[in-house]
Amino acid sequence: GNSVTQMEGPVTLSEEAFLTINCTYTATGYPSLFWYVQYPGEGLQLLLKATKADDKGSNKGFEATYRKETTSFHLEKGSVQVSDSAVYFCALGTSGSRLTFGEGTQLTVNP
Amino acid sequence: DTGVSQDPRHKITKRGQNVTFRCDPISEHNRLYWYRQTLGQGPEFLTYFQNEAQLEKSRLLSDRFSAERPKGSFSTLEIQRTEQGDSAMYLCASRQREATSTDTQYFGPGTRLTVL
Repeated sequence: GNSVTQMEGPVTLSEEAFLTINCTYTATGYPSLFWYVQYPGEGLQLLLKATKADDKGSNKGFEATYRKETTSFHLEKGSVQVSDSAVYFCALGTSGSRLTFGEGTQLTVNP
Repeated sequence: DTGVSQDPRHKITKRGQNVTFRCDPISEHNRLYWYRQTLGQGPEFLTYFQNEAQLEKSRLLSDRFSAERPKGSFSTLEIQRTEQGDSAMYLCASRQREATSTDTQYFGPGTRLTVL
């Protein structure tokens, strides 16, 4: 079956620090990969996605590259801000059906 | 606001009571999904609809859970004889059927259920 493993959290950084959140997956077929973000008290928002190998998704300074050879989709940002504090979820999806999520990584950015 | 909406946002109930949640998807989206999220965990799939047809149900969806989408628009999720273990955030998402499938699902704000 499909599964997603995220790096254990929580992660605490100072403003302007470099961020990496690791995500690896196991899947049959050729899934699409996603990062969702959940701000306090809010629902999930799509942050970025990649639909095939070597695709790079990017949004709001965040990037992730779909690496089929290492089955990974690590999230990176060069300079985090306090407003980036949230929970980040890596997920995979196959055509038409369910999304499979990782457990989430809590990010706290201090001024 | 043309996003996914859910009602109510919060529900507190006593063990043994029945509860019903509603989800209104984005209007042109024909696929609708329900997930459950417990504290500190990622969302877990419960079920999904394409138009009014319920196409897949997770093993998490016990006999006490039932979901409907009678006219292919809004959906309801009912939990009968609630248990404390049902306390969670219930998330709804919708997706448009596109010519090129990118599987992007758009989520509502969720309904937080607390069973006392």
